[in-house]
Amino acid sequence: EDQVTQSPEALRLQEGESSSLNCSYTVSGLRGLFWYRQDPGKGPEFLFTLYSAGEEKEKERLKATLTKKESFLHITAPKPEDSATYLCAAAGAGSYQLTFGKGTKLSVIP
Amino acid sequence: DVKVTQSSRYLVKWTGEKVFLECVQDMDHENMFWYRQDPGLGLRLIYFSYDVKMKEKGDIPEGYSVSREKKERFSLILESASTNQTSMYLCASSSGTENYGYTFGSGTRLTVV
Repeated sequence: EDQVTQSPEALRLQEGESSSLNCSYTVSGLRGLFWYRQDPGKGPEFLFTLYSAGEEKEKERLKATLTKKESFLHITAPKPEDSATYLCAAAGAGSYQLTFGKGTKLSVIP
Repeated sequence: DVKVTQSSRYLVKWTGEKVFLECVQDMDHENMFWYRQDPGLGLRLIYFSYDVKMKEKGDIPEGYSVSREKKERFSLILESASTNQTSMYLCASSSGTENYGYTFGSGTRLTVV
């Protein structure tokens, strides 16, 4: 059974304090690893897709990386507007469904 | 950009009412999904569909049904709403042949009283 585990559940950072969110996955035949951002009361918004170990993608202060067992979402010099819940999801072989982690709630304090 | 539109942002319904949640996508995606999201439980799959008139149960289908009469529209039906169905409902769609990532709607916050 495919599994995705995110840690920590919640993270509080001071503005400008860089950190990383972790996503560990156990998926047969990974076809894609996805990161989403979700603001309170809204649907998740797509951030990145990673397909193979060693791949990296960046968007503003965010960088996602992928190994054979984990993905990291690095946040450099975060701002209060980066506060949100970040979801990780994986697509395994033979399924169009994504397996989601429970998310990391990030709070960036001014 | 693909858009997934959910018909209502907020709904308040009485216990026992039949409730329809509508979802429409505009990019000819084959796959459509209904999730509910509750604090501490994450996203839980209710039903999904890979094609018109096709449906599959997800992890928590009890108390729900779905309809997909047209490719772009996927409806979630609560046959007799109960208070434990108070939740955030999210619709998503994806292509069956390309990137497997979902595009989500903005969500419907349903309260059953």
